[in-house]
Amino acid sequence: GQQLNQSPQSMFIQEGEDVSMNCTSSSIFNTWLWYKQDPGEGPVLLIALYKAGELTSNGRLTAQFGITRKDSFLNISASIPSDVGIYFCAGQRDTGFQKLVFGTGTRLLVSP
Amino acid sequence: DAMVIQNPRYQVTQFGKPVTLSCSQTLNHNVMYWYQQKSSQAPKLLFHYYDKDFNNEADTPDNFQSRRPNTSFCFLDIRSPGLGDAAMYLCATSTTGGIQYFGAGTRLSVL
Repeated sequence: GQQLNQSPQSMFIQEGEDVSMNCTSSSIFNTWLWYKQDPGEGPVLLIALYKAGELTSNGRLTAQFGITRKDSFLNISASIPSDVGIYFCAGQRDTGFQKLVFGTGTRLLVSP
Repeated sequence: DAMVIQNPRYQVTQFGKPVTLSCSQTLNHNVMYWYQQKSSQAPKLLFHYYDKDFNNEADTPDNFQSRRPNTSFCFLDIRSPGLGDAAMYLCATSTTGGIQYFGAGTRLSVL
């Protein structure tokens, strides 16, 4: 099935650094979602974006819905060790059954 | 408070021995989903229930079945687990067209 291109695949950073990851698609989505998955746990929703150009923050996290509706990015500022995990973007369309299309994931490691 | 609850968190079964995983929700969502996730890959949708209507993904093996006896509960049945079915199984729920909320998952091991 379709997957979104997510980059980078992995990142190893120092605590306190800012992080940026992005997701691109060849087709349009009406909703972009960012999930975080801790080891051995299910994905947890971080941010939902509903409108092209929308910029939304959740604490140290900021995400944007691209103007073309084919991309999104997630920024994490001042990273801390508990930011470790896998981040997945997911796109959703409004037509028909709203199946999520997931990105390939970004594994984030944070060194104290 | 957990809103999508999966039991058990860890399940060990033997090759070929049927196993059932369960999911319950307190969100009163009308759509429930089952995903399979292998080693840090993205979750892969197996099937979903839209109210009582069952919708199978085209590439979901016949070995996987599901039951939804009421709005709150959904079960994943694996009739004859093979070694390749060892994975994390995720349940999710949503309203129609809404955001999907995931449970903590069940890690299945097949010996």
